[in-house]
Amino acid sequence: KNEVEQSPQNLTAQEGEFITINCSYSVGISALHWLQQHPGGGIVSLFMLSSGKKKHGRLIATINIQEKHSSLHITASHPRDSAVYICAAGGGADGLTFGKGTHLIIQP
Amino acid sequence: EAGVAQSPRYKIIEKRQSVAFWCNPISGHATLYWYQQILGQGPKLLIQFQNNGVVDDSQLPKDRFSAERLKGVDSTLKIQPAKLEDSAVYLCASSPGGRGKTQYFGPGTRLLVL
Repeated sequence: KNEVEQSPQNLTAQEGEFITINCSYSVGISALHWLQQHPGGGIVSLFMLSSGKKKHGRLIATINIQEKHSSLHITASHPRDSAVYICAAGGGADGLTFGKGTHLIIQP
Repeated sequence: EAGVAQSPRYKIIEKRQSVAFWCNPISGHATLYWYQQILGQGPKLLIQFQNNGVVDDSQLPKDRFSAERLKGVDSTLKIQPAKLEDSAVYLCASSPGGRGKTQYFGPGTRLLVL
């Protein structure tokens, strides 16, 4: 069974700061997902990674398959980035194991 | 392209009552998932369908939860009878299927059991 650990659990930063959220998993996977969940809202898929690095706007996601580790970075953070960020590791047959999420607050 | 639709968005019931949730996946997506997300925790997979067949329901509390996807498109998740600890957000997701494919999530149904 895959175990997914995220850190930090809670993060408060000032607007403009560079944000890093980390995710480690225990079993080899086919893909890793980063998801965003706003309060009271549904979940939005940000990235799906199987190797290397992806960038979308101010968001960057990286994965190191050998080390079983992924990071989500936010550059020039903004209060609208405040949300819960969830890492999900994909195993066989498309099953996902989710981390508990990182609660991010960006203060103006 | 329309996303994953879920209804209702919110539901409040008393314990021991029954409740049903509905999900309409993205057109053409063969795989459909139901997740339970309790406040402060990550989502937990309840059941995974491939077309109208069940792939994984190992974490579904089968004494009270049931789900179906009769025609391989829409799906319903039912809880009967509900318990206080069932209060959670129930998320539906779909994917085209195949290894490592992106899952697309619906907005979720927030259930409160009193």
